[in-house]
Amino acid sequence: GAVVSQHPSRVICKSGTSVKIECRSLDFQATTMFWYRQFPKQSLMLMATSNEGSKATYEQGVEKDKFLINHASLTLSTLTVTSAHPEDSSFYICSARGSRGGEAQHFGDGTRLSIL
Amino acid sequence: GEDVEQSLFLSVREGDSSVINCTYTDSSSTYLYWYKQEPGAGLQLLTYIFSNMDMKQDQRLTVLLNKKDKHLSLRIADTQTGDSAIYFCAEVKADKLIFGTGTRLQVFP
Repeated sequence: GAVVSQHPSRVICKSGTSVKIECRSLDFQATTMFWYRQFPKQSLMLMATSNEGSKATYEQGVEKDKFLINHASLTLSTLTVTSAHPEDSSFYICSARGSRGGEAQHFGDGTRLSIL
Repeated sequence: GEDVEQSLFLSVREGDSSVINCTYTDSSSTYLYWYKQEPGAGLQLLTYIFSNMDMKQDQRLTVLLNKKDKHLSLRIADTQTGDSAIYFCAEVKADKLIFGTGTRLQVFP
């Protein structure tokens, strides 16, 4: 099946640090990538949708200057949490979808971000 | 309602069948999905059903769709301890996946 690789799997860093998370589609071209945030024992919350070569579309309430998304190629999207603070600690998951209509999203294994 | 709803918890004995239910919101959803999440991991696509189907079977998994009631179910036959996880149903709305609240399946010996 389709493979999406997400790195790093775990990050622990000090408050004020910027953290970059990578999401790669390994065996297909991902026209669209999605970034989610998941709080403990809760469902996934969509943060933003990015299409290759264009600006990301952010969901209501998500700060675009805080969560910078780049989707420069058909196989790579990055999420940068800028000047992270403890309230940004969470599980972040990316997913990728190809260009054919009705294609399912395939998910990365997630990144657990802990800000001290 | 406006949310995709699932029961929060299901406990079954190993070897029995599990049935996880989901009520979705958008009757025009073309595809409906079931994902599995193990602890500390991302989501694994288990199966999906197209809206013009009533049933889809894939090995131990059977998906039933009742479009009239906007009800989706996932049946896992011969449930194993490795099936213990959280299961999310999802519908597509405005080209985005909308996830249910998730059902935690616990399988005991």
